[in-house]
Amino acid sequence: GENVEQHPSTLSVQEGDSAVIKCTYSDSASNYFPWYKQELGKRPQLIIDIRSNVGEKKDQRIAVTLNKTAKHFSLHITETQPEDSAVYFCAAGLQGSQGNLIFGKGTKLSVKP
Amino acid sequence: NAGVMQNPRHLVRRRGQEARLRCSPMKGHSHVYWYRQLPEEGLKFMVYLQKENIIDESGMPKERFSAEFPKEGPSILRIQQVVRGDSAAYFCASSPQTMNTEAFFGQGTRLTVV
Repeated sequence: GENVEQHPSTLSVQEGDSAVIKCTYSDSASNYFPWYKQELGKRPQLIIDIRSNVGEKKDQRIAVTLNKTAKHFSLHITETQPEDSAVYFCAAGLQGSQGNLIFGKGTKLSVKP
Repeated sequence: NAGVMQNPRHLVRRRGQEARLRCSPMKGHSHVYWYRQLPEEGLKFMVYLQKENIIDESGMPKERFSAEFPKEGPSILRIQQVVRGDSAAYFCASSPQTMNTEAFFGQGTRLTVV
């Protein structure tokens, strides 16, 4: 089955700096890669996703890149703000009715003002 | 659309009791997923259900845990004879009956076994 590795487990940056979180996956059949943000005590919320027919996707300060050959994908947050502080989870899954998502272990991002 | 609704939000059970966690998916969603999150850890897949069918239960412990998603009503995750190690946050997610696996999570049920 699918296995997702996520690094780093913790990340501390200064406000305004960029943050990068990286994930690798094992199942070459996976074709859907979402990123979730979870604030303390709250539900995970989808912030961006990418499908295997695309190499990069951007939404304001957030971007995700995908390298299918190497089986890794990354989340990039630019101009970080204190409210970006949260735990971020990557996931990999199969698009379609039989799919479910396998999550990485999470990255705790702290943005210091 | 009220989103994915889970109840109760907090549940305390004594060792040996049963815990029942409920999840009502978003309107129009027929795919439900249950995940367990231990403190300071990630989301571990437990089970994936469609209406009246268990599609993938590869993440479910072999004993004491069961899940259902009946034709009418919410999905239920049932834990029999709870032990301290079952204490965790249990999240339910739902997705629409399309080719898209984008999943929306509920607020979770925090189970504490005393």
